[in-house]
Amino acid sequence: EPEVTQTPSHQVTQMGQEVILRCVPISNHLYFYWYRQILGQKVEFLVSFYNNEISEKSEIFDDQFSVERPDGSNFTLKIRSTKLEDSAMYFCAIPGPHGVNTEAFFGQGTRLTVV
Amino acid sequence: QKEVEQNSGPLSVPEGAIASLNCTYSDRGSQSFFWYRQYSGKSPELIMFIYSNGDKEDGRFTAQLNKASQYVSLLIRDSQPSDSATYLCAAGNSGYSTLTFGKGTMLLVSP
Repeated sequence: EPEVTQTPSHQVTQMGQEVILRCVPISNHLYFYWYRQILGQKVEFLVSFYNNEISEKSEIFDDQFSVERPDGSNFTLKIRSTKLEDSAMYFCAIPGPHGVNTEAFFGQGTRLTVV
Repeated sequence: QKEVEQNSGPLSVPEGAIASLNCTYSDRGSQSFFWYRQYSGKSPELIMFIYSNGDKEDGRFTAQLNKASQYVSLLIRDSQPSDSATYLCAAGNSGYSTLTFGKGTMLLVSP
């Protein structure tokens, strides 16, 4: 099973501040997803990223969000000016090895708390 | 708007019983379906995936898919207290597609 590590595990930030969440796959991957889950709610898709470009994004992924692969290994999600409603678990995910109709394997998540 | 619907539960079953979890989806273009288990405060963990109509078995778990009815289910045989968690149903299209998740069904297995 593919593995991905996320840092930090928990981030507390003040409203209006910028946060960067990081994702590091154990093996080299070109394709990544970011999902989020507000407490008690559904897991929601944010963005997918393939070969250093955004492949698809949801309505949630507005101008406050950005993704990068700054050094070829780490994969980051940046929220420029956090709002209270950005408080959620953020999950990085990578596809499984099965190719077409593939599943997603999730990292352990970063809990973001905006105060 | 793609939707995946699940009863939120909780579904309570005694240890050793069969737990039956259900899910419906709105997008007829969905081709792949996944069941994830999520413990409180943890990330979703993939249990099974199914692409074809019918049943797919893996150990104590059986996934069932009926594309005509847009219905997916998960059966857990010989339920254990450690199976107590929230079970998420997700639907995707072909290729490296994004997943649409249901809100999840909480399962409680009592000793």
